[in-house]
Amino acid sequence: AQSVTQLGSHVSVSEGALVLLRCNYSSSVPPYLFWYVQYPNQGLQLLLKYTTGATLVKGINGFEAEFKKSETSFHLTKPSAHMSDAAEYFCAVLGGGSARQLTFGSGTQLTVLP
Amino acid sequence: GAGVSQTPSNKVTEKGKYVELRCDPISGHTALYWYRQSLGQGPEFLIYFQGTGAADDSGLPNDRFFAVRPEGSVSTLKIQRTERGDSAVYLCASSYRDQETQYFGPGTRLLVL
Repeated sequence: AQSVTQLGSHVSVSEGALVLLRCNYSSSVPPYLFWYVQYPNQGLQLLLKYTTGATLVKGINGFEAEFKKSETSFHLTKPSAHMSDAAEYFCAVLGGGSARQLTFGSGTQLTVLP
Repeated sequence: GAGVSQTPSNKVTEKGKYVELRCDPISGHTALYWYRQSLGQGPEFLIYFQGTGAADDSGLPNDRFFAVRPEGSVSTLKIQRTERGDSAVYLCASSYRDQETQYFGPGTRLLVL
């Protein structure tokens, strides 16, 4: 069975500061990992994904994440936060009964302070 | 191109009533998924269609929930005898064949009074 743990339900950073959102996963098979962002009253938008190959993946809006198998982690980073980054972020792993269902973490609300 | 669309965007109903939620996937996407997102939680899987058939319905919480996709495109999630605990945002996603990326719609916010 797959599971995802996101440490820190709320993270606050100053504008221009480093963003680090933590995600640890559990998977019985080689994982496919995703980060989605959700703005208020909107659906989920894909930020980036890891399937195979290079463990450092780059996404939209300057975000990147690194797959670390030994640590079962897939932390999301951005060097310099912008006010528009304020949103809720979800880490997810693909797998499950049909190997098609996404299992999500409980989310991290990012606040960017001026 | 157009993304995944869901109607209605909001639905308020009374306990015990029947509701239908509609999802229109991205054109050409053969896989369709339903998730439920409760307040303060991540989305939880409900059901997955490949074409017209439900390939995995292991996430449906009980037999009050049912979903169809008769022509392999639009899907309807049906909830009978709604309960207050069914209040949540119901998200639909689609993907092309067996590609791993799922594209989400804006969701339907269901409130059961």
